[in-house]
Amino acid sequence: GAGVSQSPSNKVTEKGKDVELRCDPISGHTALYWYRQSLGQGLEFLIYFQGNSAPDKSGLPSDRFSAERTGGSVSTLTIQRTQQEDSAVYLCASSLGGAFSNQPQHFGDGTRLSIL
Amino acid sequence: AQSVTQLDSHVSVSEGTPVLLRCNYSSSYSPSLFWYVQHPNKGLQLLLKYTSAATLVKGINGFEAEFKKSETSFHLTKPSAHMSDAAEYFCVVSGTEEYGNKLVFGAGTILRVKS
Repeated sequence: GAGVSQSPSNKVTEKGKDVELRCDPISGHTALYWYRQSLGQGLEFLIYFQGNSAPDKSGLPSDRFSAERTGGSVSTLTIQRTQQEDSAVYLCASSLGGAFSNQPQHFGDGTRLSIL
Repeated sequence: AQSVTQLDSHVSVSEGTPVLLRCNYSSSYSPSLFWYVQHPNKGLQLLLKYTSAATLVKGINGFEAEFKKSETSFHLTKPSAHMSDAAEYFCVVSGTEEYGNKLVFGAGTILRVKS
């Protein structure tokens, strides 16, 4: 398929461990977003990449969270020293244009992260 | 403050009857507005989008939404509900300086379709 692909689909880990979540955007999409979906908080923006510009990290909840996008394509979201409140579904989206281009965002199926 | 308000957390309809999911937004400008649907354990799928062209927007699966600037509303409708429409629906705004580089999501409306 040509959609946004996320891996793993499910991740269970112990509190204090580091985790890496991967996102493969749709080919040719220059913009990539990470969101977090959790009970009680709804859908929250985490970080935005657009081409070679510096990423918008304004939604990252703490310095334990980081993300990178290599070669303008694949992105990895890393959570260090996980806490139970990090349990959520992490969604990745990509779009053909940037945030002000009015292009819709296409979402992956998400990674369900559970911290024990 | 910028926001998106979905007026109903849950809506229940019978199969074959109309669907109305309500959404109001706040913005000093004319934002881009979207409706997304999320089925259980799935990502979000775009139903339709408004980007300052026609105020009545037609989407997939028979859904449509009307942008009413005077009411700052963008309600989602469908003439006849199907069982497969049961899901969670999100009204979303973006595309202005107020919202920055992100989509701002409403809290969601869970649609239940009874047979």
